Amino acid sequence: DAMVIQNPRYQVTQFGKPVTLSCSQTLNHNVMYWYQQKSSQAPKLLFHYYDKDFNNEADTPDNFQSRRPNTSFCFLDIRSPGLGDAAMYLCATSEWGTGGAGANVLTFGAGSRLTVL
Amino acid sequence: AQSVAQPEDQVNVAEGNPLTVKCTYSVSGNPYLFWYVQYPNRGLQFLLKYITGDNLVKGSYGFEAEFNKSQTSFHLKKPSALVSDSALYFCAVRDLTDKLIFGTGTRLQVFP
Repeated sequence: DAMVIQNPRYQVTQFGKPVTLSCSQTLNHNVMYWYQQKSSQAPKLLFHYYDKDFNNEADTPDNFQSRRPNTSFCFLDIRSPGLGDAAMYLCATSEWGTGGAGANVLTFGAGSRLTVL
Repeated sequence: AQSVAQPEDQVNVAEGNPLTVKCTYSVSGNPYLFWYVQYPNRGLQFLLKYITGDNLVKGSYGFEAEFNKSQTSFHLKKPSALVSDSALYFCAVRDLTDKLIFGTGTRLQVFP
């Protein structure tokens, strides 16, 4: 089945130690998103890609970076995790079609839960 | 700015009874509205969407939602709740920059 895979599912890191979360998709969708979700709150968009065009949300901290080396993969790098960065990180994909990406369904991965000690 | 509001943090319903999870929206222009469900330690799953057309939208797992323009609402409904429907439900709207804005979520608890 076509899907969105996130690794690792659970990540424990120490304060200030860099972390990389990965996302891969077999849907061939050209839009990929990274969301941060804390304690069953609403997912908060960090950034997204239209193909290789990177779009950062204005309030995303500089501590968060992303890479998309090809259509299938996207990475979230947290350069110096703080206690406040402990959260579930969700990757999602969608197509950019008629009506725009926002008119289309997002397919989410299962998420990567980050714990910062 | 486009936004959605989910006025209830939690909804409790007995199995077999009808359920409603409320959502109201505020948009300029025509709304693109969505419902997603999240089970524990999982990503969100799409349930249904309203873009245009029939005000009653049918979705996955027996859920439906009614778009009401005069009340600016898009409530999620199911005629007969199951214990397995217990989860976190998010309403969402497409914003003017073509991204989804999620509501704060409503936890649905279905009791046997």
